[in-house]
Amino acid sequence: QSVLTQPPSASGTPGQRVTISCSGSSSNIGRHTVDWYQQPPGTAPKPLMYGNNQRSSGVPDRFSGSKSGTSASLAISGLQSEDEADYYCGAWDDNLNGWVFGGGTTLTVL
Amino acid sequence: EVQVVESGGGLIQPGGSLRISCAASGFTFSGYWMHWARQAPGKGLVWVSSINNDGSRATYADSVKGRFTISRDNAKNTLYLQMNSLRAEDTAVYFCAKGGGPPAWGQGTMVTVSP
Repeated sequence: QSVLTQPPSASGTPGQRVTISCSGSSSNIGRHTVDWYQQPPGTAPKPLMYGNNQRSSGVPDRFSGSKSGTSASLAISGLQSEDEADYYCGAWDDNLNGWVFGGGTTLTVL
Repeated sequence: EVQVVESGGGLIQPGGSLRISCAASGFTFSGYWMHWARQAPGKGLVWVSSINNDGSRATYADSVKGRFTISRDNAKNTLYLQMNSLRAEDTAVYFCAKGGGPPAWGQGTMVTVSP
């Protein structure tokens, strides 16, 4: 059971906008910034967003992040087939004194 | 270019020891916390350990506490993870990650614990 809660799956058609949620608590998302990672099948996780809403180098502006209270969201607009991947959220947790991740969301482009 | 590259993984018997390394480049290594995370086959990401800028403070996941030791050599821009008393459940790809923004993750090094 992951400390951060994500839906196990999400889907959309090309061109659509999809959002992936990440729910935490006051000891993690409530106090610290959220990062997002993209992991296409068979590859290593790639940092996608950091500091809640900052895109990593080379990430298109179709990707955006937000945070409110103890929850965060990743939005992908203009969905493309290459966006099919697993997406993870992560944040520091003061209670565990360590990093916590969500269980991952598998995004399918129909 | 900000880069971290892991090395040192391999096949090790249960109860054995292994040290993996992470070579950093393209940023001021001594200015950042560094982390290890792992991913077992078909599973999600799990944090393993973190170390502060000068190596004076380290934290560990409960699953590895007392068995793993994180360290760093700021003169060599290198992060280490010494893994002792390895178990089958430690089998995973181990990733090195730069703390703070913008982040950097490596491609990982595979550690397989099996007889």
